[in-house]
Amino acid sequence: QKEVEQNSGPLSVPEGAIASLNCTYSDRGSQSFFWYRQYSGKSPELIMFIYSNGDKEDGRFTAQLNKASQYVSLLIRDSQPSDSATYLCAVPPRVSAGGTSYGKLTFGQGTILTVHP
Amino acid sequence: SAVISQKPSRDICQRGTSLTIQCQVDSQVTMMFWYRQQPGQSLTLIATANQGSEATYESGFVIDKFPISRPNLTFSTLTVSNMSPEDSSIYLCSGEGLVNEQFFGPGTRLTVL
Repeated sequence: QKEVEQNSGPLSVPEGAIASLNCTYSDRGSQSFFWYRQYSGKSPELIMFIYSNGDKEDGRFTAQLNKASQYVSLLIRDSQPSDSATYLCAVPPRVSAGGTSYGKLTFGQGTILTVHP
Repeated sequence: SAVISQKPSRDICQRGTSLTIQCQVDSQVTMMFWYRQQPGQSLTLIATANQGSEATYESGFVIDKFPISRPNLTFSTLTVSNMSPEDSSIYLCSGEGLVNEQFFGPGTRLTVL
């Protein structure tokens, strides 16, 4: 099992719909999670991070975290053609009890989202 | 958030030559990383750039091929040595923020002929 897996794409939704992007992770000790957006030909851009179970909302974006089930999702409401991009889920190093971190940010393979007018 | 710049933004190089990519962060970051990204693929970590000491390389990447320097907390270089067409890719540097998030530079698009 890969450390971080994203739902296979590409994902195509009509403008105005809700786009749902999912990510599962294997390390139960993971504490926080990041979503990046990458437009074609550009570098990844951090759009959300979440570390508590439940929902975190930021504008049209909502991140959902369920640590018991080891998944994190990103919902994009009222999808726009400008949301068309690759979305990457990332899991940072685990923090030990002593407060030190080890390992590197692990990225999923990405989900390509296309929002069509 | 940190702002990261890279140069060059792109280059076309001949086989057997070397290219050094520079990465500058506008504020101090604890960690800096170098990635490679092939078209349509996710990010592959090359190494962690350590300030004042040798970089930590991932499996499949070696110092002789990808020497890295980080003389201070805001600057790092990656050299792609003895290039072959297989090295054609986008090379990205990143800096780590306070909650382990990473901020990426704009990337360097390398084509090796």
